[in-house]
Amino acid sequence: GEDVEQSLFLSVREGDSSVINCTYTDSSSTYLYWYKQEPGAGLQLLTYIFSNMDMKQDQRLTVLLNKKDKHLSLRIADTQTGDSAIYFCAERLGDYKLSFGAGTTVTVRA
Amino acid sequence: GAVVSQHPSRVICKSGTSVKIECRSLDFQATTMFWYRQFPKKSLMLMATSNEGSKATYEQGVEKDKFLINHASLTLSTLTVTSAHPEDSSFYICSARGTSGKGSTDTQYFGPGTRLTVL
Repeated sequence: GEDVEQSLFLSVREGDSSVINCTYTDSSSTYLYWYKQEPGAGLQLLTYIFSNMDMKQDQRLTVLLNKKDKHLSLRIADTQTGDSAIYFCAERLGDYKLSFGAGTTVTVRA
Repeated sequence: GAVVSQHPSRVICKSGTSVKIECRSLDFQATTMFWYRQFPKKSLMLMATSNEGSKATYEQGVEKDKFLINHASLTLSTLTVTSAHPEDSSFYICSARGTSGKGSTDTQYFGPGTRLTVL
């Protein structure tokens, strides 16, 4: 199984906030990432956070990091239909490798 | 941001043939590129790390003779699936780590993926 764990599905109403949670295992990870994948496409980097930060905000996206609990979350404010996608959490290991979670499928309903 | 392209985006081939997939960093130089395989509704599985000018490093369980990787320049890495079989059908995604310019050394930028179907 993966070292990075995520819930598999999230359904949210348009206009509400989405919160996607992730736990990781490597306490030495320096960077943690959130990627978005739309159907049939590659991964788009949404945002990342350095391990010495607690929070990072970028427009509608807010990343929270609890290093003690190895917990990462991504909050999407005012969720839109275009936000429907699979969201992957990833931790950076040595040699710049990334370890990915299984992905959370976010469905935005009207 | 940094752009990574893959070619082809989709390929169908007969069992036993070889298929080459290209990964290019368009606006930055990439000393390191990564090749992933993604199964339906599954996460990305790292296959190998490709370093410019040297041999690729393969992950455990990945056959290096079957999945040939060449990283001949700072902007191009290729993955060749040799003697392809139906079980090799998958979505292959590459990523690149930049050295300068628009690509960040701390981030992997992903290509759009290549859908391989082996009949």
